[in-house]
Amino acid sequence: QKEVEQDPGPLSVPEGAIVSLNCTYSNSAFQYFMWYRQYSRKGPELLMYTYSSGNKEDGRFTAQVDKSSKYISLFIRDSQPSDSATYLCAMSATDYKLSFGAGTTVTVRA
Amino acid sequence: DTGVSQDPRHKITKRGQNVTFRCDPISEHNRLYWYRQTLGQGPEFLTYFQNEAQLEKSRLLSDRFSAERPKGSFSTLEIQRTEQGDSAMYLCASSLVATKFFGPGTRLTVL
Repeated sequence: QKEVEQDPGPLSVPEGAIVSLNCTYSNSAFQYFMWYRQYSRKGPELLMYTYSSGNKEDGRFTAQVDKSSKYISLFIRDSQPSDSATYLCAMSATDYKLSFGAGTTVTVRA
Repeated sequence: DTGVSQDPRHKITKRGQNVTFRCDPISEHNRLYWYRQTLGQGPEFLTYFQNEAQLEKSRLLSDRFSAERPKGSFSTLEIQRTEQGDSAMYLCASSLVATKFFGPGTRLTVL
């Protein structure tokens, strides 16, 4: 079993819809949680960072961490075609070594 | 552009050849990381530097792989005697603390 599980999708939504992404993990020592966006053949771009549990909002993006359930989520409101990308969850116990999910491919249809 | 840069962006080589990649981190970042990503997978940790010291190496990093960060600035990743299984995107990232910023990657194809 992988340390971080993420449904690869693909996920297709109409423009303006809410995109809901999630990951589960097995390592209870994880305390740093991040979401990255990756366009095809590009490097990952940091979207959201959360330390420990709780919610964080940044514009159209909301990240949630539930350490008791070992479950993290990313919500994208008012999705746009430019949000079409692969979204990677990443987490770590230390502040240097990230474990990534496999990524969820999202397409926002105009 | 003050982000992480990597060179080359693409490398095609024949099996058995040696290749070297370069990463220039964000200038004030003292931490530098190398990850490898294959198609349909998330990046996997390879190694980590704090300043010029290499502090951790993954078991994924076989003896054919070596990384350096002289003077705590840019870093190089060398792969000796390349194999077809080395074909992947090699990503470099840098940080001050936990939040890591990735470069565009070097895509390696071993024929």
